Amino acid sequence: DAKTTQPPSMDCAEGRAANLPCNHSTISGNEYVYWYRQIHSQGPQYIIHGLKNNETNEMASLIITEDRKSSTLILPHATLRDTAVYYCIVRVAGNTGKLIFGQGTTLQVKP
Amino acid sequence: GAVVSQHPSRVICKSGTSVKIECRSLDFQATTMFWYRQFPKKSLMLMATSNEGSKATYEQGVEKDKFLINHASLTLSTLTVTSAHPEDSSFYICSARDQTQYFGPGTRLLVL
Repeated sequence: DAKTTQPPSMDCAEGRAANLPCNHSTISGNEYVYWYRQIHSQGPQYIIHGLKNNETNEMASLIITEDRKSSTLILPHATLRDTAVYYCIVRVAGNTGKLIFGQGTTLQVKP
Repeated sequence: GAVVSQHPSRVICKSGTSVKIECRSLDFQATTMFWYRQFPKKSLMLMATSNEGSKATYEQGVEKDKFLINHASLTLSTLTVTSAHPEDSSFYICSARDQTQYFGPGTRLLVL
C-alpha cells in the first residue's frame, strides 16, 4: 500500500472550515483514500473514503486531485469535538487491503 | 456505521498471567478482523489479521505464540496475551470489515 504524508499538527478556529491535506504521490490506480480520526483514548472513527471523485457525507468532504497524488479532508464547520488525530490512509479495495496507520495530523480546534 | 465492541475496556493483571480480549461485530458479520496495538503518543500498529475459520496472519515482528488469536465465528475474534509482562501494557484495538473497516473502542491493558 502507498504511503501518505500529512502535517503533524494544525489549528483551526471553532466554526471555521478545517482543511487537512494529505500527499500520496505513489498511489496506485486501484487504491482508495481513506480518512479516519481518533479522539483521545478511543478507537479510530471512519470519516470518508474515495477513489477519484470528490465525496461528501454528513461528517466531511473529500477532495482528491485529478492526478490522485494528494487529497484534502474538509470539515466545513469545525467544533471543539472535532479535536482529534486525523489519519489519511491509502488502501487497496476489497478483502486484500490492510489499513496501515501513519502518524496523522493532530487537529486542535480552538474556541 | 457498523458497531464493533470490545471487552473488557480496561484490565489490570499481574506479570506472568494471560489476558483475553474479545472483539465483536454487533450488526454485521466479519470474515476478517484486525488487531492493533497503540503505545502512548504513537500511532496504531497492526499486529495481525484474523480470518474466520483459519489461522491468523501476523505482521513482521509480532510473536504469534505470545499473542494468540482465535476467530471462531463471523462475529467474534479474541486476542489472548499470554504470559503478560509490563512491556505488553498498551492500548489494544480491534477492527472488523464490512463494506468499510470499523474499529472497536479499545482495551487498555496494564501489566503490573
